[in-house]
Amino acid sequence: TQLLEQSPQFLSIQEGENLTVYCNSSSVFSSLQWYRQEPGEGPVLLVTVVTGGEVKKLKRLTFQFGDARKDSSLHITAAQPGDTGLYLCAGAPALYNQGGKLIFGQGTELSVKP
Amino acid sequence: EAGVAQSPRYKIIEKRQSVAFWCNPISGHATLYWYQQILGQGPKLLIQFQNNGVVDDSQLPKDRFSAERLKGVDSTLKIQPAKLEDSAVYLCASSLPDVSWAVGTGTGTYEQYFGPGTRLTVT
Repeated sequence: TQLLEQSPQFLSIQEGENLTVYCNSSSVFSSLQWYRQEPGEGPVLLVTVVTGGEVKKLKRLTFQFGDARKDSSLHITAAQPGDTGLYLCAGAPALYNQGGKLIFGQGTELSVKP
Repeated sequence: EAGVAQSPRYKIIEKRQSVAFWCNPISGHATLYWYQQILGQGPKLLIQFQNNGVVDDSQLPKDRFSAERLKGVDSTLKIQPAKLEDSAVYLCASSLPDVSWAVGTGTGTYEQYFGPGTRLTVT
């Protein structure tokens, strides 16, 4: 069974602080997505990383895919209350018989206090 | 472009009753997924359709859950009879088919687009 371990599970910080969320696995993924989910809504796709070592930036969010394509991180600079939500990583297994399916991490609940 | 539509948004039923959820995916998306999400956790895949065929239903509790996608567009997910532990958010997602997995190269990105979900409470 392939698993994606996300850490931390909960994070409560003050506005302006920096934070990093980690997503780790022993399995290789052909791609990895990060989603953000607000209460009462479905997850919204933030970014997809495909190449080992790839770094993508989305305003104050920086996403990195590990060199071996087994792990990823999300770094938020100067967090704002609007960043509050559940952050999910999801990987596409690099196996023929798993095609089309995403494996989701258990999520990181982020709360940014003003 | 319209997103994934789901209805109803909320449903409260008593245990042993039945309930059905509806999903309309993004136009042109051949792949449709149903997920169950317990509060504060990641989504758990229940069933995946490619057009009107089932690709993966290994985690669907088939004694009480059923799903169909008869014309390869809309889909319904049914629970009969419901149990207390079925209380969760049921998410529908869709994606474009990526032929790389169909031919075995395993290099696809598989971006999925989610609907707002249906929050089910079983009392």
